[in-house]
Amino acid sequence: GQQVMQIPQYQHVQEGEDFTTYCNSSTTLSNIQWYKQRPGGHPVFLIQLVKSGEVKKQKRLTFQFGEAKKNSSLHITATQTTDVGTYFCAGPYLANNRLAFGKGNQVVVIP
Amino acid sequence: DAGVIQSPRHEVTEMGQEVTLRCKPISGHDYLFWYRQTMMRGLELLIYFNNNVPIDDSGMPEDRFSAKMPNASFSTLKIQPSEPRDSAVYFCASSYGTPRNEQFFGPGTRLTVL
Repeated sequence: GQQVMQIPQYQHVQEGEDFTTYCNSSTTLSNIQWYKQRPGGHPVFLIQLVKSGEVKKQKRLTFQFGEAKKNSSLHITATQTTDVGTYFCAGPYLANNRLAFGKGNQVVVIP
Repeated sequence: DAGVIQSPRHEVTEMGQEVTLRCKPISGHDYLFWYRQTMMRGLELLIYFNNNVPIDDSGMPEDRFSAKMPNASFSTLKIQPSEPRDSAVYFCASSYGTPRNEQFFGPGTRLTVL
């Protein structure tokens, strides 16, 4: 069925290093959204990408939407302990007119 | 704005008991969503409403689950009777305009069924 897949599911990252998490869809998406959930918290919207090949930056976070609008990535530079949490991507599907969330990428930061 | 409000934040109950979770969406938002989150299954959409009308309840696990939205500022998710496998964090979220727009999540209700 229609869904978004996230890889990897878990990551351990050394503080100060960079990492990337990926989101792939089986179908073309009109847009892609990214959310972050801190441990014990709730998902919080980070950003939405709409255009093919779009790149947006939020401080140390860089979000990219693929040219075919079937994949997206989130790259974090100089990881800090505040980056710990689970990062979700979500894509809207016209077939059922709602967002489909990936299973998330749980990030653990090693001091 | 206070954001999406959920109550209770934690609920511990015994198997067979009725559980009612409550949600107040952000004022002006016309879509309301109920999600369930577990380690095994991730974030699952249970049901969503548009202008207080249920639109898609295909994610509701079974007849033990029911949801209502009597007005624009209040929704409930009821489980009767509850079972241990219902233990999870239940989130309510709201959005404006379309169900594909940015969603604002509440703090969640952590439900434990013994």
